[in-house]
Order: sequence, then C-alpha cells, then structure tokens
Amino acid sequence: AQSVTQLDSQVPVFEEAPVELRCNYSSSVSVYLFWYVQYPNQGLQLLLKYLSGSTLVKGINGFEAEFNKSQTSFHLRKPSVHISDTAEYFCAVSATFSGGYNKLIFGAGTRLAVHP
Amino acid sequence: DGGITQSPKYLFRKEGQNVTLSCEQNLNHDAMYWYRQDPGQGLRLIYYSQIVNDFQKGDIAEGYSVSREKKESFPLTVTSAQKNPTAFYLCASNKDRGHNEQFFGPGTRLTVL
Repeated sequence: AQSVTQLDSQVPVFEEAPVELRCNYSSSVSVYLFWYVQYPNQGLQLLLKYLSGSTLVKGINGFEAEFNKSQTSFHLRKPSVHISDTAEYFCAVSATFSGGYNKLIFGAGTRLAVHP
Repeated sequence: DGGITQSPKYLFRKEGQNVTLSCEQNLNHDAMYWYRQDPGQGLRLIYYSQIVNDFQKGDIAEGYSVSREKKESFPLTVTSAQKNPTAFYLCASNKDRGHNEQFFGPGTRLTVL
C-alpha cells in the first residue's frame, strides 16, 4: 500500500532563510505527488504537483519541489521564506484502489514556523 | 467564482445527537470526498463518491453516513455512534477518476459538548 512520511513534524526558521520540508513515499510503478498548504482554520490549498515530466516542479508562492525516484523523495524547498509562509504543509501521493478509483494518501504534516 | 463551500464553519453538538455537515461545489466535479483532520494525524478519508447516487466507505467510515443525490452536494452526517467526533472536517472534490489534485473547502470544526 502507498504511504507518505513527512520526516519533520515542526520546522522553525528565521525570515529570509531557506527552508526544506522533507517527504518520502513508498515505492510504486507510477507516482503522482502533491504538496498542499493549510493556514489556521482553513482548508488545504495546492502548492504544486508532480504528475510526469520534469523532476523539478515549481509552484505558487515561490515554492518548488524535486521528484527523486531513486530516493523515493519529494522534498519541498523555498530559497527565502516570509512570515506569511507560517502554516502546515502536507505531502500527498495519489493511489489507485479497488474499482479503479484514486485517492490521496496524506502525510502527517509539517508545521513551518517563520520567526522574525 | 467556482469553489467548494462548507457550512457551518463552527458546530457544537451535545452527546447523543446526530449532526449534518453541508458541502456544495460548483466546479462541475464528478468526485467528492470527506476527510477528518485531528492534530498531528494528517487527513483521514471518511467517505468518497465518484458519481451521483454512489458512494464508498473510506478508512474511518464507522459512525458517519453520507448521501449523493445531486452532483453538487455531498452532505456528511455524524451520528451518535461516532465515539469521538470532535475534529475538523474537510470536504474536497476533483474532476474525474484520474490522478488529479483535489480542491478543498474551508472546513467545519465540530465540537461535542
């Protein structure tokens, strides 16, 4: 079964510093990966996705992620964070289950705290 | 603007009561989902529906029920059989059976008093 592991539950960082949020997934023939952001008491918003093609994926708000098949990783990066990036970040993989339907498997989340 | 709406934003329930959470989408999406979110546990799938009048149990369906009478609507009922219903509930949708991203509503926070 597909699974997702977010290696850090919390990441503190100073404003304007770079950040990397780590995500590993269980191996599968075809992999479809997503990063979502959640601000307090709100729904999830898609940051970026990897479906195929270039392994470096650029998303909104200056975030990017690199798909690494050999290491089964999809780490999220931003070269310079802002206070407004403080939020919870979720990595997810799309899996196919019985009946041919697809669903998202989510990691437990990483809380990014940006300090001035 | 197209999107997903959930109501109410906050809901309080007494023990032993059933409550229904509303989810509506105007994205013309076929598939809709309900998730439960607890601190430190990510999102867990409760129910999903790919087409009208059809729905399937997710990973934690016990104590919950749904209906899908219209494409736009996918209400979730939290029954008295759900032993620990206090949580944040998120509704989502996506276009079809493909590996597309899901779009999320703003959520409903349910608290049992």
